[in-house]
Amino acid sequence: GESVGLHLPTLSVQEGDNSIINCAYSNSASDYFIWYKQESGKGPQFIIDIRSNMDKRQGQRVTVLLNKTVKHLSLQIAATQPGDSAVYFCAENPGNKLVFGAGTILRVKS
Amino acid sequence: GAGVSQSPRYKVAKRGQDVALRCDPISGHVSLFWYQQALGQGPEFLTYFQNEAQLDKSGLPSDRFFAERPEGSVSTLKIQRTQQEDSAVYLCASSEVREQFFGPGTRLTVL
Repeated sequence: GESVGLHLPTLSVQEGDNSIINCAYSNSASDYFIWYKQESGKGPQFIIDIRSNMDKRQGQRVTVLLNKTVKHLSLQIAATQPGDSAVYFCAENPGNKLVFGAGTILRVKS
Repeated sequence: GAGVSQSPRYKVAKRGQDVALRCDPISGHVSLFWYQQALGQGPEFLTYFQNEAQLDKSGLPSDRFFAERPEGSVSTLKIQRTQQEDSAVYLCASSEVREQFFGPGTRLTVL
């Protein structure tokens, strides 16, 4: 997986605004992608997934967009809440294992 | 239990000691995965089991790392002669089909 050391990119948003978190993946053979949320001291928590035969999938307050041409994923969170503050990781699943991308810290200001 | 559990949650070891980390997957989940997460980074794959068979151990960083799942349920990750660079959070995940459910991890600190 990709790593950015201790300097994860940070996105700061105002409570109630929409958030967009971006991710680049590496393996063009990957056919399944997942977004995870990780809070301090906890394991990654599944948010939403998408298969490569789709370019958009919506969940509750979240939308994932997939652009296979440029190998790019994005996670959109509507009406961001303080409880959304966490580190967000995208992951690709080219086989059995998950390959995680660089995380993004989301900070929600009240 | 409702989710994946791991024990201990925290482990401090002196350099050179052996450690054993336990994972209890969700009941009935065939697949089990171990990941290593260094501070400020995403999880990195270590190894994968399908039932009791270890099908992929390509991510294990050295022969000091060993994992087993003898009865196809509980798994143990063992690290021999721990080094400071082994300090990390070790995550276990289980899955039934494709979605992987993660445990809270074991934070290992090697002094």
